[in-house]
Amino acid sequence: EVQLAESGGGLVQPGGSLRLSCAASGFTLTDHYMDWVRQAPGKGLEWVGRTRNQANSYSTEYAASVKGRFSISRDDSQKSLYLQMNSLKPEDTAVYYCTVYSGSYPDAFDMWGQGTMVTVSS
Amino acid sequence: QSALTQPASVSGSPGQSITISCTGTSYDVGNYNLVSWYQQHPGKAPKLIIYEVSKRPSGVSNRFSGSKSDNTASLTISGLQAEDEADYYCCSYAGSFTFVLFGGGTKLTVL
Repeated sequence: EVQLAESGGGLVQPGGSLRLSCAASGFTLTDHYMDWVRQAPGKGLEWVGRTRNQANSYSTEYAASVKGRFSISRDDSQKSLYLQMNSLKPEDTAVYYCTVYSGSYPDAFDMWGQGTMVTVSS
Repeated sequence: QSALTQPASVSGSPGQSITISCTGTSYDVGNYNLVSWYQQHPGKAPKLIIYEVSKRPSGVSNRFSGSKSDNTASLTISGLQAEDEADYYCCSYAGSFTFVLFGGGTKLTVL
């Protein structure tokens, strides 16, 4: 069964750091673009960033709101995706979803994890 | 670039049809046939229901359909059922600087 499972969320103070993980199972991570999407409490979805697949040199892209503070990495051998979040702000409070982009269906987020909650507060 | 514009809420009775609009600009929705739609039930992760404007993933009911005209994409749900009550989000590719934009979401209430 194809699954994504995020972990690592929690409460962190403003200015602090947190690293989220996403464990993938049931498919070959190497072949896929992997994205992070977040959702603030009671709000809509917001794209955070992307890591492309091995064929595209694992290049990364980020939303303007997190560029320079967040970093996406992956370890295909461990079937894991990571989101390193630094200089966290209260507005980064959200559920963070790990997603597969253009997996079975082109140009869409066709697989989602269950999400992990990050709360930035003093 | 700002988020795509969706109505905050729509409602309909069982068996009826509803349409949710998603308005962008000529830099995103109007420039690419790369609009997707997601359904999200409370406390759950979003689920892909439409990709590339009008295509349905395997297993998604044919009661869901998508279209696009100029800078506005639309999701139509026909034969409304109670289980369709959820939040719906549109999404578009927005070029090699912004990359991805989501709509603000529309809450569908089945009366």
